[in-house]
Amino acid sequence: GAVVSQHPSWVICKSGTSVKIECRSLDFQATTMFWYRQFPKQSLMLMATSNEGSKATYEQGVEKDKFLINHASLTLSTLTVTSAHPEDSSFYICSARDTGTSSYEQYFGPGTRLTVT
Amino acid sequence: GQSLEQPSEVTAVEGAIVQINCTYQTSGFYGLSWYQQHDGGAPTFLSYNALDGLEETGRFSSFLSRSDSYGYLLLQELQMKDSASYFCAGRMDSNYQLIWGAGTKLIIKP
Repeated sequence: GAVVSQHPSWVICKSGTSVKIECRSLDFQATTMFWYRQFPKQSLMLMATSNEGSKATYEQGVEKDKFLINHASLTLSTLTVTSAHPEDSSFYICSARDTGTSSYEQYFGPGTRLTVT
Repeated sequence: GQSLEQPSEVTAVEGAIVQINCTYQTSGFYGLSWYQQHDGGAPTFLSYNALDGLEETGRFSSFLSRSDSYGYLLLQELQMKDSASYFCAGRMDSNYQLIWGAGTKLIIKP
């Protein structure tokens, strides 16, 4: 089946630094990828929709200058958390849909646990 | 606004049948998806209903009624490995963007 990878799987950084998270579709192309964050025992909150070759679409309340998204190819999207603060600590998950099929399924990466100290 | 409501927790016995309900309020609606998530893991796709009716996939079935803005996930012959959180998610636009319910934690007792 379709596989989505995320790197790193976990990261600890100091307050004020920036962290880049990569999301790759390994065996399919994805014109669109989605970035979520999830707090413990809570639902997924959509942060932004990443579109290959164009600007990402951010959900209301998500700071686009803080969460930079780049979707430079059909298999890679990156999320950069700039000037991270402890409140940015969370589980970040990306998902992608296989552009080459009519399936509605979104394939999720394993997630990245970010801890800001 | 757009929202999906589902029970926070459901308890069932191994081997039994359980139904997890989901009601939604949206300004636009293309279909309803169900995902399973084990603790610490990523969500995995279970089903998608675009039309009214029942979709069956093995032990899992999903139902949608657009007129009632309601759907459910039915799990049969429950196994301990089915203990997880189950999310309903509404597809709201042609870009396949999903709006997620809060999730239902399914607890299975032997």
